[in-house]
Amino acid sequence: GENVEQHPSTLSVQEGDSAVIKCTYSDSASNYFPWYKQELGKRPQLIIDIRSNVGEKKDQRIAVTLNKTAKHFSLHITETQPEDSAVYFCAATEGSLFSGGYNKLIFGAGTRLAVHP
Amino acid sequence: EAQVTQNPRYLITVTGKKLTVTCSQNMNHEYMSWYRQDPGLGLRQIYYSMNVEVTDKGDVPEGYKVSRKEKRNFPLILESPSPNQTSLYFCASRGYGGPQHFGDGTRLSIL
Repeated sequence: GENVEQHPSTLSVQEGDSAVIKCTYSDSASNYFPWYKQELGKRPQLIIDIRSNVGEKKDQRIAVTLNKTAKHFSLHITETQPEDSAVYFCAATEGSLFSGGYNKLIFGAGTRLAVHP
Repeated sequence: EAQVTQNPRYLITVTGKKLTVTCSQNMNHEYMSWYRQDPGLGLRQIYYSMNVEVTDKGDVPEGYKVSRKEKRNFPLILESPSPNQTSLYFCASRGYGGPQHFGDGTRLSIL
């Protein structure tokens, strides 16, 4: 089955710096890779996702890159702000999104990002 | 407002006392899942459902049951809870090919 590894487990940056979180996956059939942000005591919320037919996707200060050959994908946050402080989770489908939709979404262990003013 | 609603939000109970956590979504989504979240382990899938009366095991199904009698509801049942099931639980739903939406979570403590 799919295995997703996420690094680093904790990340501390100064406000205005960039933050990068990396994930690797094992299932070559995976084709959907979402990123979730979870603030303390709240539910995970989707912040960006990417499908395997594109290599990069950007939404304002957030971008995700995907390298299918190497089976890794990364989250990039530029110009970090204190409100970016949270736990971030990557995930990958076990199998194809379109084989009836993905049935199993495997999550990484999470990265705790702290942005210091 | 589109949402996934879980109840209760918090529950403290004792070993062996059957409990049910309810989950309901108002987005007409086909797919629903239950996850548990433990420190350092991320979110692990317990069970999922692809539609009414269609369910399957996730990665950590032992000690749990689910049912999907209606499209909008997907309750999680702990027939005989044990302390190792103390955790934060999330229900989630999604439409075909769409993103996953999570509920607000249920914090269970089993003494």
